[in-house]
Amino acid sequence: GQNIDQPTEMTATEGAIVQINCTYQTSGFNGLFWYQQHAGEAPTFLSYNVLDGLEEKGRFSSFLSRSKGYSYLLLKELQMKDSASYLCAAMDSNYQLIWGAGTKLIIKP
Amino acid sequence: DVKVTQSSRYLVKRTGEKVFLECVQDMDHENMFWYRQDPGLGLRLIYFSYDVKMKEKGDIPEGYSVSREKKERFSLILESASTNQTSMYLCASSPGERESGELFFGEGSRLTVL
Repeated sequence: GQNIDQPTEMTATEGAIVQINCTYQTSGFNGLFWYQQHAGEAPTFLSYNVLDGLEEKGRFSSFLSRSKGYSYLLLKELQMKDSASYLCAAMDSNYQLIWGAGTKLIIKP
Repeated sequence: DVKVTQSSRYLVKRTGEKVFLECVQDMDHENMFWYRQDPGLGLRLIYFSYDVKMKEKGDIPEGYSVSREKKERFSLILESASTNQTSMYLCASSPGERESGELFFGEGSRLTVL
């Protein structure tokens, strides 16, 4: 079956760095996506990886290892506004997104 | 700015009622999707559409139907609402290529069925 695993909740301190991991098993693979969802709001697109390696976008970076079925989202210089849920999604061979349950990130001052 | 608008943020319906959830996008996107989001579960795809008047079943289509008469509008219909359809419903759109996983979501419609 197809499956995405990510931690349910993580806590970090303002100004610190946090890494949110995601492992996936899909029928075929056409990329790994990260979305951010603040409480009560719509998910918004953060990043896309289809090749192995690190993609950096400001304070946020996303890493992919296709051979390990593994990705992580790295958030640097954490700010209170980064408190949100982070959704990992893998695209399968039919171009359908398979979603993880999301990781709720709590930032403490 | 890109915008996906869902008609109702909050609805309360009775078991057996017919429910319409409307979604409109202003980005001229070909692809539109309906998901439901429940605590502890990933987004689950109900139906999607790659073109006007086309629709395809997602992972959990039972109890739902959809309509796409115009490119910008994708409606989700619950013919006879049941309590297990209490959920957050998210509409999304994406541009032409099927492999585009960059979805633009609406704010969501929280449906409670009593």
